[in-house]
Amino acid sequence: DTEVTQTPKHLVMGMTNKKSLKCEQHMGHRAMYWYKQKAKKPPELMFVYSYEKLSINESVPSRFSPECPNSSLLNLHLHALQPEDSALYLCASSQAGGPNTGELFFGEGSRLTVL
Amino acid sequence: SQKIEQNSEALNIQEGKTATLTCNYTNYSPAYLQWYRQDPGRGPVFLLLIRENEKEKRKERLKVTFDTTLKQSLFHITASQPADSATYLCALGHSGGYQKVTFGTGTKLQVIP
Repeated sequence: DTEVTQTPKHLVMGMTNKKSLKCEQHMGHRAMYWYKQKAKKPPELMFVYSYEKLSINESVPSRFSPECPNSSLLNLHLHALQPEDSALYLCASSQAGGPNTGELFFGEGSRLTVL
Repeated sequence: SQKIEQNSEALNIQEGKTATLTCNYTNYSPAYLQWYRQDPGRGPVFLLLIRENEKEKRKERLKVTFDTTLKQSLFHITASQPADSATYLCALGHSGGYQKVTFGTGTKLQVIP
């Protein structure tokens, strides 16, 4: 069982809806990530938070808005999405420094469908 | 442009044989390279990490090599089993920022009983 929990597992939304994806970890990790994965493609990095501050934004459209309320929680707020945004959204966490930095622990993902 | 390519989109191998997967990269100076396993509809699971100053790493039936001159990593699964069937992803950690991990294209391994 993964120690990174993502909710909801499945989400269907219209292009005018506002919804949020949530991620929680209790491993004491201080780096948290959002990745997007389309079918038969590798995960693509969207955002990285380090010590609750946004450290990497991979030129993601503003209709995706990340938030890190505390060291255990990561949200992805969705607004005015397009059908091409339909994908598996993966949350991950890792240590933020030291020799194990970069070993990512992934959640099971949130499957998003935009109609 | 930067690329991380895994040479085979799919690889079929007989049970008991050694599976060898390849990861090649261009225009990167990675601080480390990782391998992950991903099952359908699930998140990737970390397997092994090898640093730029290391040549080889082992963990049980898994072995990873890293050649920064050739810009290549090889991932071996010895005595392969049907339960090893999955997609395997290599990933590079960038020397400019340890937290930026970029994934390769993936190889779908099928171990045939």
